[in-house]
Amino acid sequence: AQSVSQHNHHVILSEAASLELGCNYSYGGTVNLFWYVQYPGQHLQLLLKYFSGDPLVKGIKGFEAEFIKSKFSFNLRKPSVQWSDTAEYFCAVKVGGRGSYIPTFGRGTSLIVHP
Amino acid sequence: DADVTQTPRNRITKTGKRIMLECSQTKGHDRMYWYRQDPGLGLRLIYYSFDVKDINKGEISDGYSVSRQAQAKFSLSLESAIPNQTALYFCATSEGQTSTKETQYFGPGTRLLVL
Repeated sequence: AQSVSQHNHHVILSEAASLELGCNYSYGGTVNLFWYVQYPGQHLQLLLKYFSGDPLVKGIKGFEAEFIKSKFSFNLRKPSVQWSDTAEYFCAVKVGGRGSYIPTFGRGTSLIVHP
Repeated sequence: DADVTQTPRNRITKTGKRIMLECSQTKGHDRMYWYRQDPGLGLRLIYYSFDVKDINKGEISDGYSVSRQAQAKFSLSLESAIPNQTALYFCATSEGQTSTKETQYFGPGTRLLVL
């Protein structure tokens, strides 16, 4: 079974700082990759996903993520964070091409952005 | 109206009591999931169902049971609640197995406290 590691458990940034959240997974084959965000008091919602094609994926609210197969990574980035980006961020990985498999979630990274 | 709803939103119960958490969806999705979220542990899968006749255990199914009453309804039961089942519970749905269909849509969560 695949595992997902999010190395940054808590990140604190000032507004306008750049953000990079790490996500690494263990499966060596084809994978589908997701980042979800959970704003305070709200449910999880999809930020972006990668299935195939261009490894640089752009999502909502200025976020992007890059799939680097050789590094088993799918790091989330944003060039300039805002106070409203304060949230918990979850990386999820699913074995690709197999509808019976379901995503495995990382433990999450809590981001606090100071105004 | 929300596409995925959960009831109740908050529940306090005592050790040994049986409780049921309910999830309903109007998205017409076949696949439904129950997760629990604990601080620092991310989302862990309890049970999932790919259609009304399909029920599968997730990584932490002990102490839980589920019922898929209809395509739109998926209930989670704690037969005899214990304090370490105190957590935030999320229901999620997804449509199927192509790139546009594997996004999960989450409900608002049920916060459960077992005394």
